[in-house]
Amino acid sequence: AQSVTQLGSHVSVSEGALVLLRCNYSSSVPPYLFWYVQYPNQGLQLLLKYTSAATLVKGINGFEAEFKKSETSFHLTKPSAHMSDAAEYFCAVSERNAGNMLTFGGGTRLMVKP
Amino acid sequence: DSGVTQTPKHLITATGQRVTLRCSPRSGDLSVYWYQQSLDQGLQFLIQYYNGEERAKGNILERFSAQQFPDLHSELNLSSLELGDSALYFCASSVSSEPYEQYFGPGTRLTVT
Repeated sequence: AQSVTQLGSHVSVSEGALVLLRCNYSSSVPPYLFWYVQYPNQGLQLLLKYTSAATLVKGINGFEAEFKKSETSFHLTKPSAHMSDAAEYFCAVSERNAGNMLTFGGGTRLMVKP
Repeated sequence: DSGVTQTPKHLITATGQRVTLRCSPRSGDLSVYWYQQSLDQGLQFLIQYYNGEERAKGNILERFSAQQFPDLHSELNLSSLELGDSALYFCASSVSSEPYEQYFGPGTRLTVT
């Protein structure tokens, strides 16, 4: 079964600093990969997805993620953090040819300091 | 706003009771998914329906059941509720199956007392 590991349940950065949220998956076959963001008391919003096209994926709000097959990773980055980026971020995978169910990582809460 | 609606927003009930959560997918989406989010288990996939038929099952308890109706809305039924069923229940929808992105509703917060 697929598993997703997000290193760091809490990450704190200063406003304007680089954001790096880590995600590693376990699969011998590269899955489809997603990053979702959850603001307090809201549902999940898709930030970006990887489905086997370009390995560097650009998403909304200035976020991007790079798929690295050799490292089984799909880390999320943003060059400059904004206060409005404070939220919980979830990495998720969907196995190819196995339906579209998502397996989520444990989530990383991003805090942005002024 | 994702276009996915869920009702009710909050639900408080007692142990042993039965509740029904409702989800309306985005216009045009045929697939509906249910997820449970709890502090100890995180976000877990429960079940998927596609155009009225069950497509995939995850970690869904036997006390839970779901269905998707001809108008494509879905209901998740939770019975013999236990304290541990307290969680946020999300519905998501997508156009079809893989690899289409899923759009999530705002969730139903269930509290079992």
